[in-house]
Amino acid sequence: AQTVTQSQPEMSVQEAETVTLSCTYDTSESDYYLFWYKQPPSRQMILVIRQEAYKQQNATENRFSVNFQKAAKSFSLKISDSQLGDAAMYFCAYRSRNRDDKIIFGKGTRLHILP
Amino acid sequence: EPEVTQTPSHQVTQMGQEVILRCVPISNHLYFYWYRQILGQKVEFLVSFYNNEISEKSEIFDDQFSVERPDGSNFTLKIRSTKLEDSAMYFCASSLPGQGVIGSGANVLTFGAGSRLTVL
Repeated sequence: AQTVTQSQPEMSVQEAETVTLSCTYDTSESDYYLFWYKQPPSRQMILVIRQEAYKQQNATENRFSVNFQKAAKSFSLKISDSQLGDAAMYFCAYRSRNRDDKIIFGKGTRLHILP
Repeated sequence: EPEVTQTPSHQVTQMGQEVILRCVPISNHLYFYWYRQILGQKVEFLVSFYNNEISEKSEIFDDQFSVERPDGSNFTLKIRSTKLEDSAMYFCASSLPGQGVIGSGANVLTFGAGSRLTVL
C-alpha cells in the first residue's frame, strides 16, 4: 500500500522569505500523481500544485514550486516570497494513475508566517 | 469555476441519531469520494463511488455508514447511529477519471468546503 510521510509537523517562516516543506512517499507503482493541498483556517481543501510522475520537469504555479525526485520518492514544496495568506496546513498527497483511485494524504505540516 | 457544494456546513446531533450529509459534485464528474478529518488529525479516506456503486471503502466505513446518489446530482453520506468519535469534518470530493487527458484536470480531486459534524 502507498504511504505519504510529512516529517515536519510545524514550520515557521518570515514574511517575504522562502520556505520548503518536505514530503516523502512509498509506492511500487511507476506512474502516479502527487499533489500539495492547502487547508486554511476555514478548513477547505485547496489544490496548490500537482505533478505527474512521468514528467521530469518540476511543476510551478506562481510562487509555488516543487522539487520532485522520483528515485528518492521525494516531493517537496517551495513557497517563495511568503505571504501572510500562506499560513495554513499543507498536505502532501498521492494518487495512483493506474486506477481511478482515492487520494492518500500525509499528516500535514502547519505553516506559520511571521510578520 | 465549478464547485463541489456540501450541506450542512455544521450539524450538531445527539449520540445515536442518524445524520445525512449532502454533497453536489461537479456536474460532469464521474467519481465521488467522502473523506473525514478529526480535528487536528490527518484527512482520512472513507469511501469512493462510481457508476452507482462503491468502488472502495476504508476500515472506517463500517455498517453504520452508507452512501447514495439518489437523483443523479446529490451524493449523500448517511451515518445511522452516530457515536462521539464520529465528530469530525467530512469532505466530499469528485473527479473525472484519473486516466483522462493530461493537464485537463482529470487527475485532480476537487473538494467541497466540508461539513462539520459534532456529536454530543
